[in-house]
Amino acid sequence: DQQVKQNSPSLSVQEGRISILNCDYTNSMFDYFLWYKKYPAEGPTFLISISSIKDKNEDGRFTVFLNKSAKHLSLHIVPSQPGDSAVYFCAAQNTDKLIFGTGTRLQVFP
Amino acid sequence: DARVTQTPRHKVTEMGQEVTMRCQPILGHNTVFWYRQTMMQGLELLAYFRNRAPLDDSGMPKDRFSAEMPDATLATLKIQPSEPRDSAVYFCASGSIPDGLAGVADTQYFGPGTRLTVL
Repeated sequence: DQQVKQNSPSLSVQEGRISILNCDYTNSMFDYFLWYKKYPAEGPTFLISISSIKDKNEDGRFTVFLNKSAKHLSLHIVPSQPGDSAVYFCAAQNTDKLIFGTGTRLQVFP
Repeated sequence: DARVTQTPRHKVTEMGQEVTMRCQPILGHNTVFWYRQTMMQGLELLAYFRNRAPLDDSGMPKDRFSAEMPDATLATLKIQPSEPRDSAVYFCASGSIPDGLAGVADTQYFGPGTRLTVL
């Protein structure tokens, strides 16, 4: 049973617009969440994280929002750039393990 | 530029054959993770080690998979015998979790993966 779910397998956004990637989780004990980005033929790389004591964390063009009551987090990319085209994985921490979602493939077109 | 390395990058084998995948974690990292990426499950955690000791291998099919860390610079994942359903990309990741601080997961650094195809 998937404890971390990314229900949109793909997303297509025009360059310069906002990309919003969504993630839902089922375990209210999760207290730390991360987003990883993956290019083809490479391993995932860490992008941004958020602790459950916060509801927002921002790093340049990337902002992660956490809604604990809804068990939902989202990643906003503004403005989107063609180099952002990749697969994005949401992950939740469970003790010292990370539980990953299935990923969302983002394509940013000119 | 420290990075996790994995060999081989690609492996094609026939059903029933033994497969061994290797990983060299980043020097100084004390935790090593093995993941499998599939379309349906995303990134599944197979096993992980801290200070070379296996902490959790509940994600691995025990009858055919085994993971070891013979030394601090080498982690191996072995499948024997391999089956077509094992076809996937296998990632190794390393990280640094302070000893005695359970529940703290630093960001993990992933290798490039081994793409395994079992015919």
